[in-house]
Order: sequence, then C-alpha cells, then structure tokens
Amino acid sequence: GAGVSQSPSNKVTEKGKDVELRCDPISGHTALYWYRQSLGQGLEFLIYFQGNSAPDKSGLPSDRFSAERTGGSVSTLTIQRTQQEDSAVYLCASSSQTGLGPYNEQFFGPGTRLTVL
Amino acid sequence: AQSVSQHNHHVILSEAASLELGCNYSYGGTVNLFWYVQYPGQHLQLLLKYFSGDPLVKGIKGFEAEFIKSKFSFNLRKPSVQWSDTAEYFCAVNHGGSQGNLIFGKGTKLSVKP
Repeated sequence: GAGVSQSPSNKVTEKGKDVELRCDPISGHTALYWYRQSLGQGLEFLIYFQGNSAPDKSGLPSDRFSAERTGGSVSTLTIQRTQQEDSAVYLCASSSQTGLGPYNEQFFGPGTRLTVL
Repeated sequence: AQSVSQHNHHVILSEAASLELGCNYSYGGTVNLFWYVQYPGQHLQLLLKYFSGDPLVKGIKGFEAEFIKSKFSFNLRKPSVQWSDTAEYFCAVNHGGSQGNLIFGKGTKLSVKP
C-alpha cells in the first residue's frame, strides 16, 4: 500500500480484557517497529522485527505484551489482561533496512488509540 | 541507557518569529539523529536527519538542525515560522548502526499565533 496502515483506529476495552492491534507495513519493508505514545511521555519503543531474525523485545513493558509478524509482513501486537496504564496510542512504523548502508527512514502509521476503562 | 531530552514542553510564537527547539542526547558513541513532526490529526513524518558529514542539515519546509558533537545536541531551527508550523516536534536518536529502534524525546508542542 501507499503507507503504513493500522487497525482499529480506536479501541475501547474494559480492564482485564485482551486486545489485538494490527499493523500493515509498507510493501517490501523488511523492518517493522511498535512504539507506544502516552500523554506527555513521547514515544516509547516496544518491539522491533527485522526480516527473519528473532525480534528485539527489549522494550516490552511486561509479559502481558507480545507481538508477532506473520510472513514477514503484517504484525499483531497483543496486550493481555489490559490495565488502565496501558491506555495510549500504539504506533507502528516500517523501514526498508537491510542491515547495510545508512540508516533508513522509519515511516509511521496513524496509530491505534487504546482506552482501557 | 540512551536518552533524549527536549527542553521545551510548549513553545508559543507569533508568525515570522524565529524558532529554536533544543534537543540533547546521552549516548557517547556514533549516533544518527532525527527530527520528526506530527501535525494535528496527522501521522508522524520525518523533518530531517543526520547520519554523517556536514553537521548542518536542511530538511523540509525551511527547517534545519545543527549537530554539535561536543554538546551532544541537535537543535532544530527555522528563521521565520508560519501558522502552518503549529505541530508537535520530536527529536530522536539511534546509535550509529544501520538497524534498530529510535529513542525519542518527549516532544515539544509548537503553537504559532497568526
């Protein structure tokens, strides 16, 4: 597609429920990132996928958070047993990084606004 | 751990005023530096980036930034702002490899009065 797309755009859930957030990266981009943007906190890195390599999960805040990327394209971020502090905008980005050459620009999606009641 | 500091939370300017937004980072090694902008209701988009070479980099819409290694700074400037520059601006850093996530500052909200 023309850009990174994310769904849903908004998600309201009750505390304790599980949620799944989806990201469709730009076609051909090998690297995919998830970030979280909380009010007044800037963007916080969550997880990074690069090709077929094991993902960098160093930013995941707890074991309630997990993500997968199927077929090297679409990614799903899952939050289990949601808590109110999970309320934030979840942003996905992709880039054409190949591990060689200069750092490539990350293109961001519109985000999913998650509200946990 | 790396961190990025943006000194101003909210800046309010009148049109035609000059802009400088501060950004400092904590990593001591080779870095790649970025400024992203988020206009109201829109996606984050890249304003400019520095990898190597000339420390004064020019981006879109008349913005520029200067990398000062000795000060660990990458301040964003524009000589004359417009109302359409109203947005939130984020500084970000990546250590000097070719992969990996960005570390973002908390952002500076710029409001330009017409």
